[in-house]
Amino acid sequence: EVQLVESGGGLVQPGGSLRLSCAASGFTFSDHYMAWFRQAPGKGLEWVGRSRNKVNSYSTEYAASVKGRFTISRDDSKNSLYLQMNSLKTEDTAVYYCTRVRSAGAEYSDYWGQGTLVSVSS
Amino acid sequence: IQLTQSPSSLSASVGDRVTITCRASQGISSYLAWFQQKPGKAPKLLIYAASTLQSAVPSRFSGSGSGTDFTLTISSLQPEDFATYYCQQLNSYPITFGQGTRLEIK
Repeated sequence: EVQLVESGGGLVQPGGSLRLSCAASGFTFSDHYMAWFRQAPGKGLEWVGRSRNKVNSYSTEYAASVKGRFTISRDDSKNSLYLQMNSLKTEDTAVYYCTRVRSAGAEYSDYWGQGTLVSVSS
Repeated sequence: IQLTQSPSSLSASVGDRVTITCRASQGISSYLAWFQQKPGKAPKLLIYAASTLQSAVPSRFSGSGSGTDFTLTISSLQPEDFATYYCQQLNSYPITFGQGTRLEIK
């Protein structure tokens, strides 16, 4: 059974940093692209970014709203995905979801974690 | 690429046939997915590649369209289908979503 479990969310002040983790199980993590999405309270879904797999040089893409502040990384030996968030803003407050990308090519996210809440407030 | 869903909200009864539309601001071929989200839960992939049913999703869900106009149809609403539905385009970065359609019980 595919499982994705996010952790690391919490309350942080504007300008601060936070690192989210996503522990994956039930599939060959190293084969898959992985992605992060977020959802602000009461709002719609927003793509944050994506990491390709080793075969594709772990290349990353980011939404314009987080580019230069957020960094996606992964450790295939630990079946884990990470989201380093720096220079946080109040508008980054959201539930953050880790997802598995179904296959290379069109990057459909077929499995989602339960999410972790990040609150940015003074 | 902007995605516009209609309607934004919809009231329907169990057993009804429901159609939700998603229009893209430019052509996206068939690079479209549909998600279902219930309150406090993660989104669930229903349809990808515009019309391919994700594994274990009931056959009452179907998707169609290509280019700029897409539809999600639920052939006979069940109580567990009352949720918010989102379309998503994956034709180009940034990946974007429609604003959502809230499906409520009449």
